[in-house]
Amino acid sequence: KQEVTQIPAALSVPEGENLVLNCSFTDSAIYNLQWFRQDPGKGLTSLLLIQSSQREQTSGRLNASLDKSSGRSTLYIAASQPGDSATYLCAVHNNAGNMLTFGGGTRLMVKP
Amino acid sequence: GAGVSQSPRYKVAKRGQDVALRCDPISGHVSLFWYQQALGQGPEFLTYFQNEAQLDKSGLPSDRFFAERPEGSVSTLKIQRTQQEDSAVYLCASSPPFQPLGSYNEQFFGPGTRLTVL
Repeated sequence: KQEVTQIPAALSVPEGENLVLNCSFTDSAIYNLQWFRQDPGKGLTSLLLIQSSQREQTSGRLNASLDKSSGRSTLYIAASQPGDSATYLCAVHNNAGNMLTFGGGTRLMVKP
Repeated sequence: GAGVSQSPRYKVAKRGQDVALRCDPISGHVSLFWYQQALGQGPEFLTYFQNEAQLDKSGLPSDRFFAERPEGSVSTLKIQRTQQEDSAVYLCASSPPFQPLGSYNEQFFGPGTRLTVL
């Protein structure tokens, strides 16, 4: 059974810092991996999707990498801003078209 | 609408009541998923439809949970005889027809229904 772990569970940083969120998964036979953002009381907003054949994806200040063989992904946020404060969730697809398995999330607070 | 919509957004039920949660997926999306998110945790898979066929219901926690998508569009998640442990946010997601390449297998999530069972 696929298990996804995110470290740290919570993170507080001053504005302007670069930061890295970590995600690990136990079964490397994944189809793709998604990073989501969730604001309090809201649904999930997809940030980046990495196919299993890719090593990274970039969108603005966000960069996600994937090392499938070691079962790891990182989300890099450059020049963090208070508006980045949210919970960040990592999720993997084991089979095309089927469900996502989520990690527990990292709660990020960026202080002005 | 442009995105996945869910209703109601908030539901308070007394223990033992039945509830029905609705999901309207993005038009044309074949796949539909239900997830349960307990407070402070990541979402957990409940069930999955492709069109009107329920292909996987392995995540439903008990036989009190039932989901349907009779016409392959709108879906309803029904919980009978609600218990306090059913309190959670219920998220619905949809995705387009499967493509072997590219990002078309991305799941798009609705805002969720927050269920509180007293």
